[in-house]
Amino acid sequence: GENVEQHPSTLSVQEGDSAVIKCTYSDSASNYFPWYKQELGKGPQLIIDIRSNVGEKKDQRIAVTLNKTAKHFSLHITETQPEDSAVYFCAASKGDKIIFGKGTRLHILP
Amino acid sequence: KAGVTQTPRYLIKTRGQQVTLSCSPISGHRSVSWYQQTPGQGLQFLFEYFSETQRNKGNFPGRFSGRQFSNSRSEMNVSTLELGDSALYLCASSLGGQGRSGNNEQFFGPGTRLTVL
Repeated sequence: GENVEQHPSTLSVQEGDSAVIKCTYSDSASNYFPWYKQELGKGPQLIIDIRSNVGEKKDQRIAVTLNKTAKHFSLHITETQPEDSAVYFCAASKGDKIIFGKGTRLHILP
Repeated sequence: KAGVTQTPRYLIKTRGQQVTLSCSPISGHRSVSWYQQTPGQGLQFLFEYFSETQRNKGNFPGRFSGRQFSNSRSEMNVSTLELGDSALYLCASSLGGQGRSGNNEQFFGPGTRLTVL
């Protein structure tokens, strides 16, 4: 069945360093790849997304890359700050269904 | 524009009871999806409703059911509660376009934390 694998499950980085979270998907028909950030006690919030006709997208300190051939996509956070500490979810969708990865807990160390 | 709202935020029930959770989507959104979130399993898709019809369904037992009203508000019901049903139940709304050209960006509510004792 359709599947999204997300790695790592936990990531600790020093404040100011970069963080990278990687996902792979199984359904080659997937055409929309959102990333969500979930803070304690809140629902997931969309932080960035990318569609299959684009290879890279950037929004300030956050960027997402997509390799359709390899069915990989990644989230890059540069110059990490304490408020980046949260759980991050990747997802893949082909319009009628969205599949989430199991999440990455990101810790920003002082 | 108001976001997705879910009620109640917290709920404690005992095994065997049944529970109903409510979700009000963003105004204008016609699709409502429900997810179960647990520490070990991440976000598990329950079902999606669009224009009062269930459009997609995940792999959950029949004890989990839902419905959507004409104003797009949705309810989820779990009957004969089990300890393993303890989780955060999230609702997400989207414009709900169908097919590959649809706008499938989802907006999540804060969730209902259900504890089954």
